[in-house]
Amino acid sequence: ETGVTQTPRHLVMGMTNKKSLKCEQHLGHNAMYWYKQSAKKPLELMFVYNFKEQTENNSVPSRFSPECPNSSHLFLHLHTLQPEDSALYLCASSQKHSAGGETQYFGPGTRLLVL
Amino acid sequence: DAKTTQPPSMDCAEGRAANLPCNHSTISGNEYVYWYRQIHSQGPQYIIHGLKNNETNEMASLIITEDRKSSTLILPHATLRDTAVYYCIVRVRSYNTDKLIFGTGTRLQVFP
Repeated sequence: ETGVTQTPRHLVMGMTNKKSLKCEQHLGHNAMYWYKQSAKKPLELMFVYNFKEQTENNSVPSRFSPECPNSSHLFLHLHTLQPEDSALYLCASSQKHSAGGETQYFGPGTRLLVL
Repeated sequence: DAKTTQPPSMDCAEGRAANLPCNHSTISGNEYVYWYRQIHSQGPQYIIHGLKNNETNEMASLIITEDRKSSTLILPHATLRDTAVYYCIVRVRSYNTDKLIFGTGTRLQVFP
């Protein structure tokens, strides 16, 4: 248990569906991240939020829409996805400007299958 | 691209020390070396990190060479539950954002 929770853990959706992934951190951190891990590929950073402001968008298609209403919650809204978007989506959080480095702690991930 | 290179796989006997090497020859002076591991289909688990000095915690030890161009993660007494993919990562800073750029890691197999 890392203090970062993600729901749902598994999701199957059609290409015309709209769904949202939720991440919540209980660590008092002020930065949150979305990563994507496709089969047999390294984790890819998608979005970064610092103090609720988006500071990084790693050329992610607009069918992925992040939302960070406060420093404890992060959402990833999904619409009109493609089968190649099937992957493990991971959320992480960290405390910016902390002494000794800013360690990111990951949630368990949401396994997404797009049909 | 990841700034680290690791062997794709390693084996280790249970109870023995597992020594996982990592090369990061282009590391900058203020960039930390982080180690994470990922057990199949779970989120990456933080293990340890360091800047210049060797570090030890309850999970592992991190040995960083004096020139900082390589490091070794040591699991002193490997167990079957340590079977996982181990990632060595150089944390880079870009536009006030800290990034962990994951490579393909080392798949450690601990056998009985």
